[in-house]
Amino acid sequence: NAGVTQTPKFQVLKTGQSMTLQCAQDMNHNSMYWYRQDPGMGLRLIYYSASEGTTDKGEVPNGYNVSRLNKREFSLRLESAAPSQTSVYFCASSRQGSYGYTFGSGTRLTVV
Amino acid sequence: GDSVTQMEGPVTLSEEAFLTINCTYTATGYPSLFWYVQYPGEGLQLLLKATKADDKGSNKGFEATYRKETTSFHLEKGSVQVSDSAVYFCALWDRDDKIIFGKGTRLHILP
Repeated sequence: NAGVTQTPKFQVLKTGQSMTLQCAQDMNHNSMYWYRQDPGMGLRLIYYSASEGTTDKGEVPNGYNVSRLNKREFSLRLESAAPSQTSVYFCASSRQGSYGYTFGSGTRLTVV
Repeated sequence: GDSVTQMEGPVTLSEEAFLTINCTYTATGYPSLFWYVQYPGEGLQLLLKATKADDKGSNKGFEATYRKETTSFHLEKGSVQVSDSAVYFCALWDRDDKIIFGKGTRLHILP
């Protein structure tokens, strides 16, 4: 099915470890986004990419890096994981924001 | 900056009850407005949207009307079902081509 695919679905890290969350979309969308979802906080934007080759910081970028590898793929990297990064991470894409986003099913990350 | 405020939950209703989830926004100009739904263990799905004042978005029995004069976009459904139990997010599209989400309202429907 067409849509946004995130891997992995679940991950447990130890403090200080690094990892990359992968996201790919097959809808030929220009824009891609990474959000984190925490209880009582709603969704907060980490980074976004308005087009291939560009990335910009969102509301909570500290501790994260991103790469827009090509039009389809947008990865999120945690260089040195901290317990405060325990969260559910969602990737989304859009042709244009006014049309709304298509979301992936999320990655549940626990940092111990 | 732009923002979205929605009623806090959880909201608990009996099956077939009338549902309203309030949402108001602050924005420059006239942004597109959305309601998203998140079922347990899943990502967010677009439920409905409206792009200009007085537009009514509708889907799966849910409706919301873009009210410019009250800067509101309240979600309504005439008769809820147990399967409507989920978290509902109000959102707006801002001028920087990003969507800003409210904090979400958890809805529980009792059989």
